[in-house]
Amino acid sequence: AQSVTQPDIHITVSEGASLELRCNYSYGATPYLFWYVQSPGQGLQLLLKYFSGDTLVQGIKGFEAEFKRSQSSFNLRKPSVHWSDAAEYFCASRKALNAGNMLTFGGGTRLMVKP
Amino acid sequence: EAEVAQSPRYKITEKSQAVAFWCDPISGHATLYWYRQILGQGPELLVQFQDESVVDDSQLPKDRFSAERLKGVDSTLKIQPAELGDSAMYLCASSLLAGAYEQYFGPGTRLTVT
Repeated sequence: AQSVTQPDIHITVSEGASLELRCNYSYGATPYLFWYVQSPGQGLQLLLKYFSGDTLVQGIKGFEAEFKRSQSSFNLRKPSVHWSDAAEYFCASRKALNAGNMLTFGGGTRLMVKP
Repeated sequence: EAEVAQSPRYKITEKSQAVAFWCDPISGHATLYWYRQILGQGPELLVQFQDESVVDDSQLPKDRFSAERLKGVDSTLKIQPAELGDSAMYLCASSLLAGAYEQYFGPGTRLTVT
């Protein structure tokens, strides 16, 4: 069975500092990978996705993520964090884009931003 | 911009009572998902519909949960009877096709069972 692990439950960074949120997946083949953001009391918004090709993918709000097969990782990065980035971030994977294959989510990382 | 609508946004109910949540997906989206998100965890799929048919309900506790999407548009998720452990956020999402890249999520219904 596939699984997604986000090792960091909470992360605090200063505004303007760089950010990296970790995500590891376990699946034999290359999965389809996603990062979502959830503001308090809200639903999830897709930040970016990886299916194939270039291992560095760009997303919305200045986020990017890099797929590293050798490390089974798909870490999310942002060069300069803004106070509005404070939220919960979820990494997710999907085996294939076929009917019945659902998203498997990690446990989430809560990002706090210090002024 | 089209959005997934859910109601109510918040629901407090006593255990053993019945509760229902409603979801209206983005117009034209054939696939609809219900997820449960326990506080501090990631969402877990409960049921997936393709039009009016259930594609996957393997994680739905069928002794107390039921879901329907009678006309292949909006959907209702019901819990009867509610238990304390059902307290969670219930998220609805939709996608254009089952194989579509992106699922669009609604704001969720926060359920508290007392």
